[in-house]
Amino acid sequence: AQKVTQAQTEISVVEKEDVTLDCVYETRDTTYYLFWYKQPPSGELVFLIRRNSFDEQNEISGRYSWNFQKSTSSFNFTITASQVVDSAVYFCALYTGANSKLTFGKGITLSVRP
Amino acid sequence: GAGVSQSPRYKVAKRGQDVALRCDPISGHVSLFWYQQALGQGPEFLTYFQNEAQLDKSGLPSDRFFAERPEGSVSTLKIQRTQQEDSAVYLCASSLLTGLRETQYFGPGTRLLVL
Repeated sequence: AQKVTQAQTEISVVEKEDVTLDCVYETRDTTYYLFWYKQPPSGELVFLIRRNSFDEQNEISGRYSWNFQKSTSSFNFTITASQVVDSAVYFCALYTGANSKLTFGKGITLSVRP
Repeated sequence: GAGVSQSPRYKVAKRGQDVALRCDPISGHVSLFWYQQALGQGPEFLTYFQNEAQLDKSGLPSDRFFAERPEGSVSTLKIQRTQQEDSAVYLCASSLLTGLRETQYFGPGTRLLVL
């Protein structure tokens, strides 16, 4: 069975601080994708990044970066120089394809204060 | 281009009433997914279509829930005899193709409140 754990529930930072959101996943599949989605107050889930299980190279995209480590089954997401508009709920999700569905964590509420 | 759209955005129903929620996927997207999101939780899978075929409905919580996509584009999620525990946000997502490489793009959701 697939499982995604986001141990942090709420994080509050001051604008321009860096913030890291943690994600730990469980799966027996060797091929899978990991995603981060953002859900602002409007409710729509916005796709941010994805990573496949064969590529552990960490990348930076603008203010976003991620750290994927298969050895610890973690897929952490960092926002550099946070902005008020980053305030939202952030979900980590796992997709193995075996059952065609995304498995989500419970989400982390990020509040960025001016 | 246009993203996934859902209607209505908000629905208030009396317990026992039937409701129908509509999803318009991104044009040309083969796969369509429905998720249910309870307050303070992550979305949970309900059902999945590839074109008009419903390939997975393992997440539907009861036989009161029914989904269809008759022409392989627009989909409707129907809930019969609504109960208070059905109150949630219902999210629709679509992806261009089927398979592991595909990213699901979500609509704004329909917030259902059953009184």
